[in-house]
Amino acid sequence: EAGVAQSPRYKIIEKRQSVAFWCNPISGHATLYWYQQILGQGPKLLIQFQNNGVVDDSQLPKDRFSAERLKGVDSTLKIQPAKLEDSAVYLCASSSTDRGQRNTIYFGEGSWLTVV
Amino acid sequence: SQELEQSPQSLIVQEGKNLTINCTSSKTLYGLYWYKQKYGEGLIFLMMLQKGGEEKSHEKITAKLDEKKQQSSLHITASQPSHAGIYLCGADKTGANNLFFGTGTRLTVIP
Repeated sequence: EAGVAQSPRYKIIEKRQSVAFWCNPISGHATLYWYQQILGQGPKLLIQFQNNGVVDDSQLPKDRFSAERLKGVDSTLKIQPAKLEDSAVYLCASSSTDRGQRNTIYFGEGSWLTVV
Repeated sequence: SQELEQSPQSLIVQEGKNLTINCTSSKTLYGLYWYKQKYGEGLIFLMMLQKGGEEKSHEKITAKLDEKKQQSSLHITASQPSHAGIYLCGADKTGANNLFFGTGTRLTVIP
């Protein structure tokens, strides 16, 4: 079974530029998450989708961050304009809603962003 | 204030030694997850605990959740260099199946 796919793995941009990250969850997983992990800290939830609906985006800085999952499968996270403090690893994760597999959350390898 | 405390923050052990990492919440949790992360990589799922008093084992790693579902421990028996990495506990606080993470424990195993 293929895992959570993310791209690009690495990105360096200048402040005030924009960047987009893509995620393809494990096949059949209805729930998709984006987390931000700053160096030395634990991951912080940015947004949670159930199919193409938003479950929780309370910690998403909506003035510069946006995310979509239009068809309920893959997702894109965008940052515009980027700030220095956005330098972090952006982790995508997914989980199933099937009763037997519910709750196990699987993570991708992350997209590393450096803002200079 | 940190809602999910992990201790210790870092740990250096000799290969073959046993070790324990703790994760404590001030509130009762719906679920507690343990992940391992190596530098530059994503989080590898280890174990999920949902019931008070639950204990799970996989190879040389055992995780327990206390009866109140507020404290968990991860125990590694006879540590190996392959166990080195950052161990993260993540908690489901609301039942919405999203996780709040601790700051992690960095484990170094000296051959």
